[in-house]
Amino acid sequence: GENVEQHPSTLSVQEGDSAVIKCTYSDSASNYFPWYKQELGKRPQLIIDIRSNVGEKKDQRIAVTLNKTAKHFSLHITETQPEDSAVYFCAANYGQNFVFGPGTRLSVLP
Amino acid sequence: GAGVSQSPSNKVTEKGKDVELRCDPISGHTALYWYRQSLGQGLEFLIYFQGNSAPDKSGLPSDRFSAERTGGSVSTLTIQRTQQEDSAVYLCASSSYFSPNTDTQYFGPGTRLTVL
Repeated sequence: GENVEQHPSTLSVQEGDSAVIKCTYSDSASNYFPWYKQELGKRPQLIIDIRSNVGEKKDQRIAVTLNKTAKHFSLHITETQPEDSAVYFCAANYGQNFVFGPGTRLSVLP
Repeated sequence: GAGVSQSPSNKVTEKGKDVELRCDPISGHTALYWYRQSLGQGLEFLIYFQGNSAPDKSGLPSDRFSAERTGGSVSTLTIQRTQQEDSAVYLCASSSYFSPNTDTQYFGPGTRLTVL
């Protein structure tokens, strides 16, 4: 089955700096990779996703890159703001199911 | 339109009692997922439905856990003889399904279960 690893588990950055979170997956058949942001006490919310037919996708300050050969994908947040502080989860599909990474707690320090 | 809803939002029960958790997916979404999230932890997959059938039940932690879905819509997750280790937030998510692509999951607000 699919296995998703995520690093780092915690990340602290100064406001305005960039943050990068990396995930690896094991199943070469995976073709859809969403990223979720979960604020304390709230539900996970999709922030960006990428399919295997592209290598990069951007949405304002957020971008995701995918390397299918190496089976890893990364979330990039530029110009971080305090409201970016949350837990971020990556995921990869396994057939129609999903496997989530263990999460990264991002703290943006003012 | 309306998102995924779950009820109750909070449930406190005594050890050994049975509980039922309900999920209303987004209208028209054929896929429905149940996850468990313990405090400060990641998302643990429990079960997935495509329509009314459950192709993947591999995540159910024991035979005390069961789930059903009727009419391709509402799903209930039942935990029998609850134990303290069942305490967690139970999240439901739904997605549409357009073969061969997987589509985005949308999460409900969760049910916080506390077993005393």
